[in-house]
Amino acid sequence: AQRVTQPEKLLSVFKGAPVELKCNYSYSGSPELFWYVQYSRQRLQLLLRHISRESIKGFTADLNKGETSFHLKKPFAQEEDSAMYYCAPEGTNAGKSTFGDGTTLTVKP
Amino acid sequence: DTAVSQTPKYLVTQMGNDKSIKCEQNLGHDTMYWYKQDSKKFLKIMFSYNNKELIINETVPNRFSPKSPDKAHLNLHINSLELGDSAVYFCASSPRGGTPSGNTIYFGEGSWLTVV
Repeated sequence: AQRVTQPEKLLSVFKGAPVELKCNYSYSGSPELFWYVQYSRQRLQLLLRHISRESIKGFTADLNKGETSFHLKKPFAQEEDSAMYYCAPEGTNAGKSTFGDGTTLTVKP
Repeated sequence: DTAVSQTPKYLVTQMGNDKSIKCEQNLGHDTMYWYKQDSKKFLKIMFSYNNKELIINETVPNRFSPKSPDKAHLNLHINSLELGDSAVYFCASSPRGGTPSGNTIYFGEGSWLTVV
């Protein structure tokens, strides 16, 4: 069965501290991996996807096939990073995307 | 030039009523979805349509009925509303699976449904 786990429901860090949001997957085949972000009372939007190997707003995510993880990292958190983050590995079934339960990140001043 | 738009944004209604939420996308995508986000912020897929055909129907009560008149529209009709239906409902769309975009999902702003 395809499964995504975000073990931390809540994560709180101080401004300027490093932050890591964890995501582990259990998937058949080779998933494409995404992180979505939802700022307060806004729509979900794509933050980054692993196939692009890009850094968005200072965030990066590395696919670790050995650990089946796709953790989201930022070296210096900012207050505007406070949001809900969802990990979403997608299998090869077109049209289906299984979201993790989400992690609420709070960056304190 | 909103990509995925849904209406209404807020809806307060009494138990037992029937309501609809409309969704439209102007991105030319083949696939559209309805997601439910509950009070704990869990995001669960409800339905997925590909070119007007239902391809995913998760364990959702049959009081919920999606309708896709064309691939740019996916409406959600809910009969006999219950208190537990209170949630935020997100419409979304994505290109066909396997495209270079990696099937990125584009979300609407959400419809806040409150059943009283």
